Amino acid sequence: SAVISQKPSRDICQRGTSLTIQCQVDSQVTMMFWYRQQPGQSLTLIATANQGSEATYESGFVIDKFPISRPNLTFSTLTVSNMSPEDSSIYLCSVGEAGVTDTQYFGPGTRLTVL
Amino acid sequence: QKEVEQNSGPLSVPEGAIASLNCTYSDRGSQSFFWYRQYSGKSPELIMSIYSNGDKEDGRFTAQLNKASQYVSLLIRDSQPSDSATYLCAVGSSNTGKLIFGQGTTLQVKP
Repeated sequence: SAVISQKPSRDICQRGTSLTIQCQVDSQVTMMFWYRQQPGQSLTLIATANQGSEATYESGFVIDKFPISRPNLTFSTLTVSNMSPEDSSIYLCSVGEAGVTDTQYFGPGTRLTVL
Repeated sequence: QKEVEQNSGPLSVPEGAIASLNCTYSDRGSQSFFWYRQYSGKSPELIMSIYSNGDKEDGRFTAQLNKASQYVSLLIRDSQPSDSATYLCAVGSSNTGKLIFGQGTTLQVKP
């Protein structure tokens, strides 16, 4: 499986600021996803990061709050904008290959605390 | 609304016992099914995938799939304290590449 890294691994931010999280993969992948895991909860898909085009957002998530870039097949960023304490979560990127397997592998995650 | 349901637990078993984790899903068109293990403070790690009805074994782990009943399970034989973690069931959403996760079952293996 691909080796996935995320930066930063954790951060503490002030209300109203923005944070950009980077996800880097050591090989080209078709699909990249961004998830949020709130404390004690399961994973919720934020969006699918599409290479060379706008991300596809899930219900409840909007581009103004979570802008995503994917300039190539190995890299993506997620920005959490105008943060509030409710945005305190773990943010995870995952990678996969579309098709019959649908297998996804996860990066180590970014633990975000908003004060 | 496509859903994946798991008992949140905690499920507590003694060391050496068989742990049985269960999952049901609502989308009959689902074709791919996964079990992830998540240790506290870590990201999910894929441990099993299954695509056809029946059993699939990998070491101490056995995944079972029954599409007619829309049911997936994970058996862990000879449970070890190191198996203590949250186990997430995930279901592929009709070849979109997306996964829908259950809320996870916390397993505690007591020495």
